[in-house]
Amino acid sequence: AQSVTQLGSHVSVSEGALVLLRCNYSSSVPPYLFWYVQYPNQGLQLLLKYTTGATLVKGINGFEAEFKKSETSFHLTKPSAHMSDAAEYFCAVSGRSDSSGSARQLTFGSGTQLTVLP
Amino acid sequence: DTAVSQTPKYLVTQMGNDKSIKCEQNLGHDTMYWYKQDSKKFLKIMFSYNNKELIINETVPNRFSPKSPDKAHLNLHINSLELGDSAVYFCASSQGLAVYTGELFFGEGSRLTVL
Repeated sequence: AQSVTQLGSHVSVSEGALVLLRCNYSSSVPPYLFWYVQYPNQGLQLLLKYTTGATLVKGINGFEAEFKKSETSFHLTKPSAHMSDAAEYFCAVSGRSDSSGSARQLTFGSGTQLTVLP
Repeated sequence: DTAVSQTPKYLVTQMGNDKSIKCEQNLGHDTMYWYKQDSKKFLKIMFSYNNKELIINETVPNRFSPKSPDKAHLNLHINSLELGDSAVYFCASSQGLAVYTGELFFGEGSRLTVL
């Protein structure tokens, strides 16, 4: 079984402030972890991913995330928010599906809406 | 050129009708997916095809039937539409299973409204 919990469905930050979006996961196998971003009226785009190796991963647009196994977390951060960062952010984990049981697949969290205030 | 394109983008229909959403990808990927995003933005996988073979078939009413005529196309047909089917449906593709690469490429979505 696998699941993703994103704490805070809405996060607001001022332009130039630190962005921190929280993600905790549960997985019965070593996880692969991902962050996706969805801009209004668009599909999701991959921001960054962790599969193996270095636990601090860097993605596009200055975002990074750190895999912490002991905390089962994969929080997304950016040192300085920009207006263009306003979007919905989704954390995802890979693992075996509860129902299919035959293929690994991605399970998405419920998303966090990031608002950047001027 | 749009990498993953879906048509139609908006669909408004009455309960009980049958409708289809088409998806095409020009990335040369071998795996395609349908996801449903509800009003709370929760994203759930419905189906996945790898080289035209169904590999993921989640607990979805059998009113939903996917069809993959070739690797570049994955269509979704919905019979006897219900109010609860209202959602945004996303098509996506990947080279190999996305769980290993995380590289899912999404279309812009098809917003279905059932009245």
